Amino acid sequence: EAHLLESGGGLVQPGGSLRLSCATSGFSFNTCAMSWVRQAPGKGLQWVSGITSSGTTTYYADSVKGRFTISRDTSNNTLYLQMDSLRVEDTALYYCAKQGVSGYTSADSWGQGTLVTVSS
Amino acid sequence: DIVMTQSPDSLAVSLGERATINCKSSQSVLYSSNNKNYFAWYQQKPGQPPKLLIYWASTRESGVPDRFSGSGSETDFTLTISSLQAEDVAVYYCQQYYSNPITFGQGTRLEIK
Repeated sequence: EAHLLESGGGLVQPGGSLRLSCATSGFSFNTCAMSWVRQAPGKGLQWVSGITSSGTTTYYADSVKGRFTISRDTSNNTLYLQMDSLRVEDTALYYCAKQGVSGYTSADSWGQGTLVTVSS
Repeated sequence: DIVMTQSPDSLAVSLGERATINCKSSQSVLYSSNNKNYFAWYQQKPGQPPKLLIYWASTRESGVPDRFSGSGSETDFTLTISSLQAEDVAVYYCQQYYSNPITFGQGTRLEIK
């Protein structure tokens, strides 16, 4: 059974940076595409970023392009999201999600999320 | 970007009755080379992460009760709960993974009448 555990969230001022981590276990990390999905308080789901199983191709929502960077480390089965130039509207619960071999697959396992609050 | 629009926004159904949620995509999510719809349904209960229910538009995820079913193709899709149970109270989201950015519908809140 896949397990995903996010960490790194917290309170940060506008313009600041945070690095989220998603530690994974229970599946073959290097054969699965991965994504970050966020949910603002009381709102719906918004896909943020995705990365292929090899790590060679990354995708971003327009709202975070140029500010966020997704990466993965197969040596410790961990997914990352570097978030720079944070804005108030980036405040949300950030989930990491496991997909299939291809990035063009649904997300079959999710973590519990880590909360990011951007406020002065 | 592909826009996903769900209807209704909220729904109240009596226990044991059928619940139907619709989702429309702004363009086809059917990939002709493999005849698969790149479309999924998720369930989210309060305080929990989303849970995958249906993928490829009609394939039920392992462990999902068979009262949940998905149908539709190209741009119009439906999630049906054949006999509503109390534990089905949740928000349901549709999703397309045909093209990036991956997009979700706005969600449908399902309650007991």
